[in-house]
Amino acid sequence: GNSVTQMEGPVTLSEEAFLTINCTYTATGYPSLFWYVQYPGEGLQLLLKATKADDKGSNKGFEATYRKETTSFHLEKGSVQVSDSAVYFCAPAQGGSEKLVFGKGTKLTVNP
Amino acid sequence: EPEVTQTPSHQVTQMGQEVILRCVPISNHLYFYWYRQILGQKVEFLVSFYNNEISEKSEIFDDQFSVERPDGSNFTLKIRSTKLEDSAMYFCASSDADRGITPLHFGNGTRLTVT
Repeated sequence: GNSVTQMEGPVTLSEEAFLTINCTYTATGYPSLFWYVQYPGEGLQLLLKATKADDKGSNKGFEATYRKETTSFHLEKGSVQVSDSAVYFCAPAQGGSEKLVFGKGTKLTVNP
Repeated sequence: EPEVTQTPSHQVTQMGQEVILRCVPISNHLYFYWYRQILGQKVEFLVSFYNNEISEKSEIFDDQFSVERPDGSNFTLKIRSTKLEDSAMYFCASSDADRGITPLHFGNGTRLTVT
């Protein structure tokens, strides 16, 4: 089945710093790839997605590119804000399968 | 924007007791899910539900667990005889299509503490 390895946290950055959270996956075929975010006290929310190789998902200044050759989907943001403090989850999914496979999550804290 | 709502937000129960975790999915969604997250660990798939029956379940979802959609709006997870290791955050999710393409919408979770 699918599996995912996500960068260990926690990550602490200053406001306006550059962010990268690494994610690599193993999967049968070519899964759709998702990043979910969990803000304090809230549920998981979709941040961005990519459904095929070389697609770039983007939202709220975050980006991730579907890299088939390296089976990766790293999350980046050029300038983080305090409000980006949250836990970020990488999750591949297989079309026709009922399961999202989540990484452990990476906790990001952005200090002013 | 429509939301998935879960109640209660926190449930404390004694080992061996039955608990029911409740969820109201988004009204036009057809696929329903339960996930759980033990503190400090991964978010794990438990079960998916479509057309009034379980469509997939994980090894975690043993005979102690059951799901039900009793009235067309609620979606419940029942644990018959709770164990200490059932302590976790339980997330309900729903989707309106094949989830390989369409993302899940999650509730805020129910924190279950078994003492």
